[in-house]
Amino acid sequence: AQSVTQLDSQVPVFEEAPVELRCNYSSSVSVYLFWYVQYPNQGLQLLLKYLSGSTLVESINGFEAEFNKSQTSFHLRKPSVHISDTAEYFCAVSGNIQGAQKLVFGQGTRLTINP
Amino acid sequence: DGGITQSPKYLFRKEGQNVTLSCEQNLNHDAMYWYRQDPGQGLRLIYYSQIVNDFQKGDIAEGYSVSREKKESFPLTVTSAQKNPTAFYLCATNAVPGGSGYTFGSGTRLTVV
Repeated sequence: AQSVTQLDSQVPVFEEAPVELRCNYSSSVSVYLFWYVQYPNQGLQLLLKYLSGSTLVESINGFEAEFNKSQTSFHLRKPSVHISDTAEYFCAVSGNIQGAQKLVFGQGTRLTINP
Repeated sequence: DGGITQSPKYLFRKEGQNVTLSCEQNLNHDAMYWYRQDPGQGLRLIYYSQIVNDFQKGDIAEGYSVSREKKESFPLTVTSAQKNPTAFYLCATNAVPGGSGYTFGSGTRLTVV
């Protein structure tokens, strides 16, 4: 079975500081890996995804994540955060389970940026 | 513009009543999904459908029912058998089952009083 663990439920940081949101997964099959962002009372927006190839993937707003197969991790990083990055972030894996492709989510990490 | 429409955005119902949440898409995607979101628990899969007239239970299907009579529509009924229905419900689509292009609707917040 697939599972996703986000190691921090809340991460408070100061504006312009670096941040890392941690994600570990377990799966017996090849998977796709995703990070989604959710602003209050809204749906999920795709931040970035890893399908294959280069293990470092980047988003257009400065976030990046690195796929580490040996550590089964897909941590999200940003070198300098902005107030507008305040949101909840979800790590997810997609793989074939019992003949169907399913998207499995972690519990979420609430990122709070303080001025 | 193509997208997913979930309606209503907010829904209030009395305990013991059935309620149906709407999810409509014009993306021409084959696969559709319903997730439930509770604070601190992430998103959990309720039901999914990979093709019209076919659907399967997810991880927390008890107390819910769905139909997929049209490619564009995947309504979710929250029945009186659902013990704790108050939650945020999200509908998602994927172009093809197994693809990487998941798209999410804006959600419906259901409150049972």
